[in-house]
Amino acid sequence: AQSVTQPDIHITVSEGASLELRCNYSYGATPYLFWYVQSPGQGLQLLLKYFSGDTLVQGIKGFEAEFKRSQSSFNLRKPSVHWSDAAEYFCAVGATGANNLFFGTGTRLTVIP
Amino acid sequence: DAGITQSPRYKITETGRQVTLMCHQTWSHSYMFWYRQDLGHGLRLIYYSAAADITDKGEVPDGYVVSRSKTENFPLTLESATRSQTSVYFCASSVAGGRRETQYFGPGTRLLVL
Repeated sequence: AQSVTQPDIHITVSEGASLELRCNYSYGATPYLFWYVQSPGQGLQLLLKYFSGDTLVQGIKGFEAEFKRSQSSFNLRKPSVHWSDAAEYFCAVGATGANNLFFGTGTRLTVIP
Repeated sequence: DAGITQSPRYKITETGRQVTLMCHQTWSHSYMFWYRQDLGHGLRLIYYSAAADITDKGEVPDGYVVSRSKTENFPLTLESATRSQTSVYFCASSVAGGRRETQYFGPGTRLLVL
């Protein structure tokens, strides 16, 4: 069965510092992977997605993610965090035969000045 | 472009009452979804719909009823609310089904059951 693990419940970084949010998936075939961001009081917004091809995926707001099959990971990165990046981040996987996405439990990002 | 909207945004109700959460999308997307978001669980699928009059259960359907008489609307009803249904509910839509489709989310409804 497919599943997604986000090991970090809460991460705090200083503004301007780099960021990496971890995501590990469990899925037998080639996964379809997504990162969503949820700003306070808002719905989820797609940051980026990976289906195939180049393992480094660029998204919106300066985010990127790298798919590493050998590590079953799809970590999200940003070189320099802005205060507006404070939000909750969800990794998700799409599975064969399913119409919905399977989400991780999320990582809350706090940005300190 | 209104996108996908949910109403009400906040709701307080009592155990045993019936509650309906509304979801409306303006994109004419075929698929619509209801998720609930709980601490430690992320988002879990309650029900989804592939088209008008076609619905199917998700991971946590018990205690919920859905209908979809029009493509743009997908209401979720809690027939007899319980405290365990206190949660944040998100509606989402996608152009089609399948694992590669991007889902677009509404702003959510925060429901408190007393």
